[in-house]
Amino acid sequence: NAGVTQTPKFQVLKTGQSMTLQCAQDMNHNSMYWYRQDPGMGLRLIYYSASEGTTDKGEVPNGYNVSRLNKREFSLRLESAAPSQTSVYFCTTTGYYEQYFGPGTRLTVT
Amino acid sequence: GIQVEQSPPDLILQEGANSTLRCNFSDSVNNLQWFHQNPWGQLINLFYIPSGTKQNGRLSATTVATERYSLLYISSSQTTDSGVYFCAVDSGGSNYKLTFGKGTLLTVNP
Repeated sequence: NAGVTQTPKFQVLKTGQSMTLQCAQDMNHNSMYWYRQDPGMGLRLIYYSASEGTTDKGEVPNGYNVSRLNKREFSLRLESAAPSQTSVYFCTTTGYYEQYFGPGTRLTVT
Repeated sequence: GIQVEQSPPDLILQEGANSTLRCNFSDSVNNLQWFHQNPWGQLINLFYIPSGTKQNGRLSATTVATERYSLLYISSSQTTDSGVYFCAVDSGGSNYKLTFGKGTLLTVNP
């Protein structure tokens, strides 16, 4: 029972490159979320998926797209990376109330 | 949207000391959680506590929903308690979208 897994753990991109962050959960939860964490800013919601087949914008969605591939997987895509997207990205899931975090992806855009 | 303020922003303790962390929120909530982020970046859920009091070992939490604040108590602190403590709230709806405070950085010295 791995909980929430994320790949990759680290990534360095050049401005303008694209990449997809992968997230998978084996907790059989309906809801999944992507947050970014920046120094002094706490965590901010990028996108979320309340159930398979649905996605909605969070607080800071610009520059990102998401796909809820199935109940287990929720991916985050950066189409054209910018230095402002340098951050640590967390995928989370929730069954009813408590949120469970993945280990995070540390992304640097140069 | 709902505002979440945590205090103090930083706290330094000697091992064995007790501490209280505070979380104020600007609107009524139906979900409040406390998280601990360890020095390696992993986020762990400590409490789901929209109201009332809970205890788990040396940690306890109290939320006074009518006065819009929550307190996290750490007793007999240990160096492994070091890290950032986040409070997060959700003010309604069924999507469990959390708004995070900026955290309290706790350093426990041996």
